[in-house]
Amino acid sequence: LAKTTQPISMDSYEGQEVNITCSHNNIATNDYITWYQQFPSQGPRFIIQGYKTKVTNEVASLFIPADRKSSTLSLPRVSLSDTAVYYCLVGSAGNTPLVFGKGTRLSVIA
Amino acid sequence: GAGVSQTPSNKVTEKGKYVELRCDPISGHTALYWYRQSLGQGPEFLIYFQGTGAADDSGLPNDRFFAVRPEGSVSTLKIQRTERGDSAVYLCASSLVGIGQGGTEAFFGQGTRLTVV
Repeated sequence: LAKTTQPISMDSYEGQEVNITCSHNNIATNDYITWYQQFPSQGPRFIIQGYKTKVTNEVASLFIPADRKSSTLSLPRVSLSDTAVYYCLVGSAGNTPLVFGKGTRLSVIA
Repeated sequence: GAGVSQTPSNKVTEKGKYVELRCDPISGHTALYWYRQSLGQGPEFLIYFQGTGAADDSGLPNDRFFAVRPEGSVSTLKIQRTERGDSAVYLCASSLVGIGQGGTEAFFGQGTRLTVV
C-alpha cells in the first residue's frame, strides 16, 4: 500500500486559500488520490478524488503533478467551518482497503 | 435513501462482556469497511468486505474481534471479552466498488462510541 505523508497541523485565517500537500512517493499505476475531511464526532467525509493533473469541484481543487508522487488539496477562501482534520489516501478500487494516516489538522482563525 | 447507519451510537459495557456493533450500509454498495478511531488518531483499518466475504481482515487486532456480513448488506462487528483498550469510536463505511473502475469514494457512518469500564 502506498504510504502518505502530510503535515500534522496548519493554521489559517478566514478568507485565505489553504494548500495542504501530501507526499506519496510509491504510488502505483492504478492508484487514485482521495481526500477526506473529518469533523469532531463525525465520520470522515469524501472531498475530492483525482488520478492526474487537476480536478475541481464545488468544495476544493486537487493538483497532481505529472510524476504523481505528491498532491495538493486547495481550499479556496476558508471559513471557520473548514476547521477539521484532512486525510490524504492513495489506493485503487476493488483490491485494497482505505488506509488513513494521521491527517492534517487545519485550524481556521477569525 | 439514507447514508450509512450505525447502531448503537454509544455503548458502555463492562470489561469482559461481549458486544455487537451494527452497520447498515448504503443500499447496493458492495464494499463495506470497519475502522476504529482513538482520540487524536486517524481511523485504523479493521476489516473489509466485498459482498458477503471478508476480502481483507488483516486489521483485526486479535481473535476477540470478528465481523460478519451474511447477506452482503448489514454487517455486525463482534467483540468478545472486551478490554478497556477496546474503547474507541468504531466507524463503518461503504462504497460502490467495481474492479478496475478507478478510485473509491467511501461513505462513513457517524460511528459507535464504545466505552469499556
